[in-house]
Amino acid sequence: AQSVTQPDIHITVSEGASLELRCNYSYGATPYLFWYVQSPGQGLQLLLKYFSGDTLVQGIKGFEAEFKRSQSSFNLRKPSVHWSDAAEYFCAVGAREYGNKLVFGAGTILRVKS
Amino acid sequence: ETGVTQTPRHLVMGMTNKKSLKCEQHLGHNAMYWYKQSAKKPLELMFVYSLEERVENNSVPSRFSPECPNSSHLFLHLHTLQPEDSALYLCASSQEIGGYTFGSGTRLTVV
Repeated sequence: AQSVTQPDIHITVSEGASLELRCNYSYGATPYLFWYVQSPGQGLQLLLKYFSGDTLVQGIKGFEAEFKRSQSSFNLRKPSVHWSDAAEYFCAVGAREYGNKLVFGAGTILRVKS
Repeated sequence: ETGVTQTPRHLVMGMTNKKSLKCEQHLGHNAMYWYKQSAKKPLELMFVYSLEERVENNSVPSRFSPECPNSSHLFLHLHTLQPEDSALYLCASSQEIGGYTFGSGTRLTVV
């Protein structure tokens, strides 16, 4: 069965510090990978996506993610966190074999301290 | 403007009421989805419509009834809900496997 694991429920980072949010997946097909961000009371916004090619993907708001097939991981990173990055982050996986459907992780809540 | 518009943003309803949530997309996408997001729980996929045909119904209680009259509109009809149905209901659309575009959600409170 397809699954996505985000091991960290909460992460607290100081403003200006670097950030890495972890995502591991279990998928029986070549995965397409996504990161979404959700501010309180809002819908999810796409940060970045990986389909193929360069395994380091750049997204909006200064985020990047690296696909590592050998580790079944797609971790999200940002070199310097801003207070406005405080939100919940969701990793999602899909595959052409499974149609349009995405499987989402449980989310990681990011807190930024000044 | 996200391209997917959900109305209303907030809804309070009694357990005997009937109400509907509306979702509209103008992105030319061919699939639409309803998700339920409850506090401290993962996103729950409720329904999937592809080319206006329901292709997935994840064991959702019959008090939730979806309708997709055309490729741009999706409704979720609600009746005799329970307090545990209080949640954020998210609509999304997609084109092929390009990733979803989400609406801002409807915050539903059942009293």
